[in-house]
Amino acid sequence: GDKVKQSPSALSLQEGTNSALRCNFSIAATTVQWFLQNPRGSLINLFYLVPGTKENGRLKSAFDSKESYSTLHIRDAQLEDSGTYFCAAEARSNYNVLYFGSGTKLTVEP
Amino acid sequence: NSKVIQTPRYLVKGQGQKAKMRCIPEKGHPVVFWYQQNKNNEFKFLINFQNQEVLQQIDMTEKRFSAECPSNSPCSLEIQSSEAGDSALYLCASSLVGNERLFFGHGTKLSVL
Repeated sequence: GDKVKQSPSALSLQEGTNSALRCNFSIAATTVQWFLQNPRGSLINLFYLVPGTKENGRLKSAFDSKESYSTLHIRDAQLEDSGTYFCAAEARSNYNVLYFGSGTKLTVEP
Repeated sequence: NSKVIQTPRYLVKGQGQKAKMRCIPEKGHPVVFWYQQNKNNEFKFLINFQNQEVLQQIDMTEKRFSAECPSNSPCSLEIQSSEAGDSALYLCASSLVGNERLFFGHGTKLSVL
């Protein structure tokens, strides 16, 4: 089964609204990263998390290793936030590999 | 955000042909990863390096894929005999330490006809 389950798979937001993306882990995740893949294919690193929370502008992310999940909150969504968001976890079983979710395709509309 | 440079952006090959792609990691990053992203957004780890040494590679990589990260030269990933199933986006990433905050390049989109 999927080691990292990401939801929702797709999301449409109006500009200025808020939303949350989620990843659930069936592996013993030790760290989590969130990426945004833009239409050109580039994966932009948004957050690197050990258990806890981080905030960067309109984005806030949390990682709870005991409950095995991570969230990414987007506040006041802008058109440039559109793209596909991926979470990726490092697991205690293999520190060489990141296990990726299947992505959330976000479309922000005017 | 990222200064990882991958070339070429697009690569079109016939089945059985060699396909080679290159990656220049971010300056000062000793750890380099190659991932394959297919059209279903599934990421597959291929291989990673610490400086010039292979840390881990998957079985698929050991058979038709070869990769290296020579000192003072770009890293490279080569598929000896391309197959249709190899069509994907090949992503190179680098980091200062292990999996701690990976920075990805734009990727090389390989199409095997």
